[in-house]
Amino acid sequence: SQTIHQWPATLVQPVGSPLSLECTVEGTSNPNLYWYRQAAGRGLQLLFYSVGIGQISSEVPQNLSASRPQDRQFILSSKKLLLSDSGFYLCAWSPRTSGNEQFFGPGTRLTVL
Amino acid sequence: EDQVTQSPEALRLQEGESSSLNCSYTVSGLRGLFWYRQDPGKGPEFLFTLYSAGEEKEKERLKATLTKKESFLHITAPKPEDSATYLCAAQGSNYQLIWGAGTKLIIKP
Repeated sequence: SQTIHQWPATLVQPVGSPLSLECTVEGTSNPNLYWYRQAAGRGLQLLFYSVGIGQISSEVPQNLSASRPQDRQFILSSKKLLLSDSGFYLCAWSPRTSGNEQFFGPGTRLTVL
Repeated sequence: EDQVTQSPEALRLQEGESSSLNCSYTVSGLRGLFWYRQDPGKGPEFLFTLYSAGEEKEKERLKATLTKKESFLHITAPKPEDSATYLCAAQGSNYQLIWGAGTKLIIKP
């Protein structure tokens, strides 16, 4: 069966510091991968998605970036965090060849102070 | 503009009191309508996919239905463990998911 991991689970960072959130998927190959941000009381906002190694599409202009160095690894980064970057960050995967459902990781709660 | 609206924002029910959650959508070329359950501090858990008007799917006390403009999540005789936020999302012709803000469901014992 497939499993998706995210770490860390929680993170408190000062404004202006760098960020690296990691997501890995097990039990599948060539998945589509996604980074979302969820604000309290609002829908999920798609930040980035990837259909393959090194292929990243950005949905929202911001100071965040994403990379996919390996097939089942997806990284969300920032060089300098802003207060507005606080939120709940979710990684998700979907099968490349069948179905459209996305399956989510446990999330990372980021607080920027 | 593609849009998904969920109502109500919050719903409080007594244990055993059946009800429905609504998900209205305006999406070009609907490819699928998805329901998820999300517990506090956790990632959404996939429940159902509906592809065409008239389709229904069931899982335990939950049943999801779809029309050309909206989807309903019917909850029959809910239990306290059904308390969660329920999210719906619509996938349009560009394959991206458009998410609603969710309905927070509270079941009192």
